[in-house]
Formats: sequence, structure tokens, C-alpha cells
Amino acid sequence: QLQLQESGPGLVKASETLSLTCTVSGGSISSSSYYWGWIRQPPGKGLEWVGSIYHAGSTWYTPSLKRRATISVDTSKNQLSLKLSSVTAADTAVYYCAIVDSNNWFDPWGQGTLVTVSS
Amino acid sequence: EIVLTQSPATLSLSPGERATLSCRASQSVSSYLAWYQLKPGQAPRLLIYDASNRATGIPARFSGSGSGTDFTLTISSLEPEDFAVYYCQHRTNWPAFGQGTRLEIK
Repeated sequence: QLQLQESGPGLVKASETLSLTCTVSGGSISSSSYYWGWIRQPPGKGLEWVGSIYHAGSTWYTPSLKRRATISVDTSKNQLSLKLSSVTAADTAVYYCAIVDSNNWFDPWGQGTLVTVSS
Repeated sequence: EIVLTQSPATLSLSPGERATLSCRASQSVSSYLAWYQLKPGQAPRLLIYDASNRATGIPARFSGSGSGTDFTLTISSLEPEDFAVYYCQHRTNWPAFGQGTRLEIK
């Protein structure tokens, strides 16, 4: 059974780059059976899809974050990563990684990690 | 951009009661709609996909219905562990979620 665990710095300074990793256990991140995604939830707000990565490394991002977000896979470490550049307070959120199925449903998810952007 | 509007924002019910949560899309998403359950400190859980299909391991008291623009998540008889926040999600154009319905104990 696949399990996902997010990790990263809990605090990032404004204008810097947020970097998160998602460690996958119970399976291989390079398996053709899986796609991978990131979703976030700002405090007191709803869920927002950040982006996803598919076979051969093709990526897809929500329009509002397309210029700042980069999702990649490190097969040697069995990890998914998210980099978000030029962060502001609006990027403060719990960030979740998840498996994306072929119909773009998310299951399962990690427990999430809170990232706070400080000024 | 397709916007999902969930109602009510908060639903107060007692264990054993029936819960009906609504999700309305600003334009048709066919049957491409999912429901998720979020609890504090836990991994979100997929409940329903393609509007009416229960995900693996989801109890039968959870059911989904609807197509086009109007969708419903029904919990037939609330258990204590069902009190949580529920989100709907579509995948048309790009994945997007509704703003959530908080199901709280009355």
C-alpha cells in the first residue's frame, strides 16, 4: 500500500523559494501506474490544486501558479518535489502530495506539511 | 474557469441523522466530480469519484449522485467519525475544488 509523507522547512522568507519533498513508500515513484500531484490549503480556506506530473515528466500547473511552480521526480530517492519561487504571504498553506489517477482524482494523499511565509 | 459552489457552508446534525451536501458547478462537468473528506491532522480521503462511485474501502453509508451541474453527497446515517469537512472536485479544464462544507455535531 502506497504511503506519502511531505517534508520541508516550516518557515520560508518572502521572495525566496519554497522547496518541499514527498517521500513515497510501499511502491516505486517511477512506476508507470502512478501520476503525482500537489494540492495546498491556506489557513481557513479551501483546497487548491497546485500541479501534477505525468509520464515522461510532463507537468501541468494551475494557471495562477504556472510561472512560479516546478514539480519534479527524483527516482533515485523515490521522492516527488515542489519548488515555488518568489513566495508571498499568500503562499502560506498546508501542502499535500497525492497520487493522481488517470482521471485526475487524488488518492491517496499525504498528511500534509504547513509552510508559513514570513516577511 | 468552472467554479464549484458547495452548500451549506456548515451543516449541524446529530449522529444517526442523514446528511445531504450539495455541490453546484458553474457549467457542466458531466459526471466528472469527486468528493473528499478532510479531518485535522489526517490525510484527506477520496470518498466518491465519477459522481457516484465509492472509492476503495469507503462505507456504504456514503453515496454520491448527480450529473451536469448539480451533485449531492449523502451520508445515510451519521457516525461520530463522519464529522469533518467535505470538498467536491471537478477535473474539467484543470482540477479545482469547491470551498467545502463543514459537517459538525449538533
